[in-house]
Formats: sequence, C-alpha cells, structure tokens
Amino acid sequence: SQKIEQNSEALNIQEGKTATLTCNYTNYSPAYLQWYRQDPGRGPVFLLLIRENEKEKRKERLKVTFDTTLKQSLFHITASQPADSATYLCALERAGNMLTFGGGTRLMVKP
Amino acid sequence: DAGVIQSPRHEVTEMGQEVTLRCKPISGHDYLFWYRQTMMRGLELLIYFNNNVPIDDSGMPEDRFSAKMPNASFSTLKIQPSEPRDSAVYFCASSSGDRDDYGYTFGSGTRLTVV
Repeated sequence: SQKIEQNSEALNIQEGKTATLTCNYTNYSPAYLQWYRQDPGRGPVFLLLIRENEKEKRKERLKVTFDTTLKQSLFHITASQPADSATYLCALERAGNMLTFGGGTRLMVKP
Repeated sequence: DAGVIQSPRHEVTEMGQEVTLRCKPISGHDYLFWYRQTMMRGLELLIYFNNNVPIDDSGMPEDRFSAKMPNASFSTLKIQPSEPRDSAVYFCASSSGDRDDYGYTFGSGTRLTVV
C-alpha cells in the first residue's frame, strides 16, 4: 500500500541551528512533492514545490531535496528561529492534481 | 483576494443532526478540495472538484457525507445524520491546477464537534 512517513516525534533544536525534516514514501511515483507549514488552529500553508526532475530547490532559508531513487525528501531550515516552530507536512501529488499528506513533524526551535 | 473562506469556524451539534459546512474558493481556481484532519488519521482527502464537477469522491467515508459545488465560488459539505466519530477539523482548499509554485491554498477550517 502507499505510505508517506514523517517522523511523528517532535524535533527540538536550538535557535540558529539547521533543522532537517525527513519525508519517506513507498509505492508512489510522484511527479511533484510539496511541503507545507501548519500552525495550531490554522490550515496548512504552502512553502515549496519540487518536481521529480529537480534534485534541490531553495527559497530564502528553506531548502528541499528530492531523491526519487531513495524515495525521500529532506526539508531544511537554516538559521532557525523560534518563529519557525510549527508542524511541517510533506505531500505527494497523485494523478489529477490530488495531494496526499504525510502525518507531519512538529518542530520546536528554542531560543 | 481574501483567500479560501470557510464557515462556520466552529460547529457543535448533537448526534443525528444535519451539518452543512461551507467554502468559498479563491476566484479563478479551478480545483476545490475537501479534507478532514484528526489526530489519529491526519489529513485525509474526502472529495475534489474540477471546474465544479466532482472528480474523485473515493475518500468520502459513507453515504452520510455529500458534497456539492453549484458554481465556481461556492461549495458545501453535508453530513446527515452526524455521528460523534465525525468530529474533526474539516478543511477546504483550492488550487489553480497550474504546475507552478503556489500549491494549494487552505481555508482556516471548520472544527466540528458532534456530541
């Protein structure tokens, strides 16, 4: 069966460090992978999209990698800040523009 | 644009009652999605529309759930009769469908509690 796995344990890091979140998937051949941020009581907010033929994508302090051989995406936040504390969701696109989401990883950045 | 607008923000209802959730997508977006989020199951896709036409409703849990999109600016998700296990946060999202860098835009959600 198709699975998207994100670390369900919270990631705690110190302010200024780089946070790295992992998204692994099985039985998918996604053309696109997306990352979202979700704050408590709010809907997910789109951050980055990476295509299957792209190895890496950057946006300000964010970097996403996509390894279709390993079936894995890594999401990095450099120079992390307490304001980066949130739950981060990866999502894979199936046919017809449908997104399937992983369970999310909660990031806590301590000052 | 004010983004995706959902109403009500919170809904508390008794078991057996009908519940209607509403969504106004972003103008110009051709796709509309209904998701449900719970701690146990995360975000689950219930149904999605393209140009107001339902494309995939395989995620709708039972016949008690129905969704409509009578025009490009409005969609409803109805549960009749509601049950306690339907308690969750229901999100509506829309997208342009273009392979660009904007992804989905989600509403703020409706927190449904069925007692």
